[in-house]
Amino acid sequence: AQTVTQSQPEMSVQEAETVTLSCTYDTSENNYYLFWYKQPPSRQMILVIRQEAYKQQNATENRFSVNFQKAAKSFSLKISDSQLGDTAMYFCAFMKRQYGNKLVFGAGTILRVKS
Amino acid sequence: DVKVTQSSRYLVKRTGEKVFLECVQDMDHENMFWYRQDPGLGLRLIYFSYDVKMKEKGDIPEGYSVSREKKERFSLILESASTNQTSMYLCASTPPQGVITNEQFFGPGTRLTVL
Repeated sequence: AQTVTQSQPEMSVQEAETVTLSCTYDTSENNYYLFWYKQPPSRQMILVIRQEAYKQQNATENRFSVNFQKAAKSFSLKISDSQLGDTAMYFCAFMKRQYGNKLVFGAGTILRVKS
Repeated sequence: DVKVTQSSRYLVKRTGEKVFLECVQDMDHENMFWYRQDPGLGLRLIYFSYDVKMKEKGDIPEGYSVSREKKERFSLILESASTNQTSMYLCASTPPQGVITNEQFFGPGTRLTVL
């Protein structure tokens, strides 16, 4: 079975600074996807960024980028130029390539951006 | 835009009551999911469905059942609610594997309190 570990329950960052959220996972699969989802306070969960395991290049979406280390089974999220609207719970999630698209989530990291 | 809606944002029930949580998606997605979200545990999969009238148990199905009579609707049923089922319940949907995006789209959640 796959497991996802987020070792930072809470983090804070000053507005405009950079912050990195950590995620490690355990799997024997070779083909899979990794995701970061964001859950703002009292709002719906949305996808931040996605990485396909067979791609060596790290995914980037505007201010959000990942550091994907397949051998180390590590998938960290870097948020540059942090904004107040980035305050949210962030979940790292794993999906193996199979029918069903099931996700396995980490426990989450609460990120607070301070002005 | 994909829209996933859930019948209630907040729900208070008594121990032993039968509880129905409804989820509807409007994008003709094949796969639908029910998760519960608890602090420190992240999201855990209760049940999922990959087609009408098809269902599979997730990681924590005990005490729950589901129904999918129509493609757009996926219901979670607590046959006899207990206090340990007090939680946030999230519904999600996604196209089948193989579609370009395998992103899961989430509803706003239902915060259920069982007294």
